[in-house]
Amino acid sequence: AQSVTQLDSQVPVFEEAPVELRCNYSSSVSVYLFWYVQYPNQGLQLLLKYLSGSTLVKGINGFEAEFNKSQTSFHLRKPSVHISDTAEYFCASISGGYNKLIFGAGTRLAVHP
Amino acid sequence: EAGVAQSPRYKIIEKRQSVAFWCNPISGHATLYWYQQILGQGPKLLIQFQNNGVVDDSQLPKDRFSAERLKGVDSTLKIQPAKLEDSAVYLCASSLEEGAPSSPLHFGNGTRLTVT
Repeated sequence: AQSVTQLDSQVPVFEEAPVELRCNYSSSVSVYLFWYVQYPNQGLQLLLKYLSGSTLVKGINGFEAEFNKSQTSFHLRKPSVHISDTAEYFCASISGGYNKLIFGAGTRLAVHP
Repeated sequence: EAGVAQSPRYKIIEKRQSVAFWCNPISGHATLYWYQQILGQGPKLLIQFQNNGVVDDSQLPKDRFSAERLKGVDSTLKIQPAKLEDSAVYLCASSLEEGAPSSPLHFGNGTRLTVT
């Protein structure tokens, strides 16, 4: 069955430090991967997506993610975080044949001054 | 473009009462989704519409939940009767094409339901 696992429920980090939010997906013949961000009391906003092609995907707000097929991972990274990056981040996938967007449990990123 | 509109933003009801949520998707978006997001969890798909037809309602608790999209535009999700475990944020989303990974979902701000 299609599934997404986010390995950290919370990630505290200081402002201007680098951050990595980890995501693993269940293997499939074809898979499409997404990262969404949710600010307090708001809906989800698409950060970036991997459909095919280059395994390094760049998104909005300086975030990027790398698709690693051998490790079935799609980790999100940012070289230098800001206070405004404090939010909940969700990894999601669509697997070939299912056409259903499945979300991980989320990682709460807390950026401290 | 205007985003996905949802109302109300907050609702508090007692268990066994009924409640309804409304969603107006982005103009021209054929696919509409209702997700349930329980605190500390990722969103879970309840029902997916393509125009006014149901594509997937496999995780909708049909004994108490119902949803409709009569004219293929806006949609209503109803819970009757509500249980304590229904406390969650209900998110509506829309996309231009059904099941197309290149067609991202656009989410509304959600309705936060508290059942006491």
